[in-house]
Amino acid sequence: AQRVTQPEKLLSVFKGAPVELKCNYSYSGSPELFWYVQYSRQRLQLLLRHISRESIKGFTADLNKGETSFHLKKPFAQEEDSAMYYCALSPYSSNTGKLIFGQGTTLQVKP
Amino acid sequence: AAGVIQSPRHLIKEKRETATLKCYPIPRHDTVYWYQQGPGQDPQFLISFYEKMQSDKGSIPDRFSAQQFSDYHSELNMSSLELGDSALYFCASSGPGQGSYNEQFFGPGTRLTVL
Repeated sequence: AQRVTQPEKLLSVFKGAPVELKCNYSYSGSPELFWYVQYSRQRLQLLLRHISRESIKGFTADLNKGETSFHLKKPFAQEEDSAMYYCALSPYSSNTGKLIFGQGTTLQVKP
Repeated sequence: AAGVIQSPRHLIKEKRETATLKCYPIPRHDTVYWYQQGPGQDPQFLISFYEKMQSDKGSIPDRFSAQQFSDYHSELNMSSLELGDSALYFCASSGPGQGSYNEQFFGPGTRLTVL
């Protein structure tokens, strides 16, 4: 079965602290992994995807196929990073690009 | 840059009524996706269209139907509404032009409340 698991519903850190939002997936093939972010009262938007290997707003995520994980990391959290973060998977077997989402993690960065 | 538009933003219906949700993709985008997010739940894929043809189907009830029109906008029709249909319905689009390959741009969502 295709599944994305984000074990933490809420992650609260102080400004300047390192952040790691966990994401594990279950998929028999080679999926494409994404992180989406939703700031307060805004729409879901793409933060980064594993194939681009970019660093966006200081965030990085590495796909670990052995551990089937795609954790999102940032060395120094900022207050403006407070948002809901969704990890999502798109199975390559589906050419349509549909997304399977995790449950989401609320990141709260305290001053 | 243009964004995905959804209408209405809020909708209140009674049980057993019907509802129609509309989605207007980003110009030149040819693929539309619909997702349903129940209270406290993650978004669940319902259905997608590519070039006006259904391209994939997820956990969409038989009471729901959808289509994509010649101008690429899409409508989700929901009949015999049940209390459990109360949710936030997202539409997303992807395609040539804005965004990279397979990048989905989301609309603000339509919040449907069934009483």
